[in-house]
Amino acid sequence: AQKITQTQPGMFVQEKEAVTLDCTYDTSDPSYGLFWYKQPSSGEMIFLIYQGSYDQQNATEGRYSLNFQKARKSANLVISASQLGDSAMYFCAMREGRAGSYQLTFGKGTKLSVIP
Amino acid sequence: DVKVTQSSRYLVKRTGEKVFLECVQDMDHENMFWYRQDPGLGLRLIYFSYDVKMKEKGDIPEGYSVSREKKERFSLILESASTNQTSMYLCASSLYGTTVDEKLFFGSGTQLSVL
Repeated sequence: AQKITQTQPGMFVQEKEAVTLDCTYDTSDPSYGLFWYKQPSSGEMIFLIYQGSYDQQNATEGRYSLNFQKARKSANLVISASQLGDSAMYFCAMREGRAGSYQLTFGKGTKLSVIP
Repeated sequence: DVKVTQSSRYLVKRTGEKVFLECVQDMDHENMFWYRQDPGLGLRLIYFSYDVKMKEKGDIPEGYSVSREKKERFSLILESASTNQTSMYLCASSLYGTTVDEKLFFGSGTQLSVL
């Protein structure tokens, strides 16, 4: 079973509008971390935002916020006031808290296109 | 500023060649990773290393090997390149990997084409 599911291969949003990118996860670990990365056409993965499983509040970083619904196992990324520079691939990822779990497991990504 | 450097941005090789992809980090990180990225498949872990000379297989290690002789350098080796190894290869590092909130730092990627 997939640990990270991103159901939207591609999304379009009008400039200055808000957009939500979906991410659901699957783990039996009570301790885990969820990450969102942005990958522009240049190729480099840029860290955007982090949410811990025990965090009481939804994470926010500037125009990025994470809509964390633990019971539903979802961690959707919300980008407010979209800009042309937001056009990129977006990846959701998870690290589980079990011992020896060093790596992040990534979803398949969502390609966001911002329309002027 | 943190830096993960991959030696080549684009690489073209022939089937059967031995290919080395090099990655260097300047952050004194313990852990280093090689991911492969293909359209529609996301990032898949090939190998990772949590210490010098230590390595662990990821989800898709077949056809690949790795080397970590020094802490800052992690090499991915394709012993005999095949066309199905044409892909984007991403190197990453993290400090310790012992807490869930520790993020990965990535290089810019190497787009490998095997002809």
